[in-house]
Amino acid sequence: GENVEQHPSTLSVQEGDSAVIKCTYSDSASNYFPWYKQELGKRPQLIIDIRSNVGEKKDQRIAVTLNKTAKHFSLHITETQPEDSAVYFCAASLTFPWEYGNKLVFGAGTILRVKS
Amino acid sequence: NAGVTQTPKFQVLKTGQSMTLQCAQDMNHEYMSWYRQDPGMGLRLIHYSVGAGITDQGEVPNGYNVSRSTTEDFPLRLLSAAPSQTSVYFCASTPPKGQVYEQYFGPGTRLTVT
Repeated sequence: GENVEQHPSTLSVQEGDSAVIKCTYSDSASNYFPWYKQELGKRPQLIIDIRSNVGEKKDQRIAVTLNKTAKHFSLHITETQPEDSAVYFCAASLTFPWEYGNKLVFGAGTILRVKS
Repeated sequence: NAGVTQTPKFQVLKTGQSMTLQCAQDMNHEYMSWYRQDPGMGLRLIHYSVGAGITDQGEVPNGYNVSRSTTEDFPLRLLSAAPSQTSVYFCASTPPKGQVYEQYFGPGTRLTVT
């Protein structure tokens, strides 16, 4: 089955700097790669996702890149702010056939601390 | 819409007790799933359902049962609680096939088994 590894486990940056979190996956058939942000005591919330037919996607200060050949994808946060401090999870899944469900396999998470 | 709701928010059980964690969504989502979250391990899939009457196992199904009699509800049953089941449990749902793949999570249930 799918296995997702995430690095680093903790990341501290100064406010305004960039942060990069990397994930690798094992199943070359996986075609959907979301990133979730989880604040302390809260539910995970989707911040950005990418499908396998796209190499890069941006949404304001957040971007995700995907390298299907190497089976890795990364989250990039620019101009970090204190409110970006949270735990970030990457995940991978195979979204078809639908009858098999969208079974996300998560990485272990990265604790991001933005120091002001 | 209330989105995905879960009850209870907190629960303490003794070893061997059984209970049901409730999950409901009012968005007409076909796909629903249960995850458990343990420190340092991310979220792991317990069971999932692609529609009413259809359920299947995820990564860590042992000790848990599910059923899906309606589109809205997807309860998770702990048959005989064990300390290893101490965790935070999240229910999630996804819109119907072909729309988006985002999973919407409920607020979670924090379970402690003593």
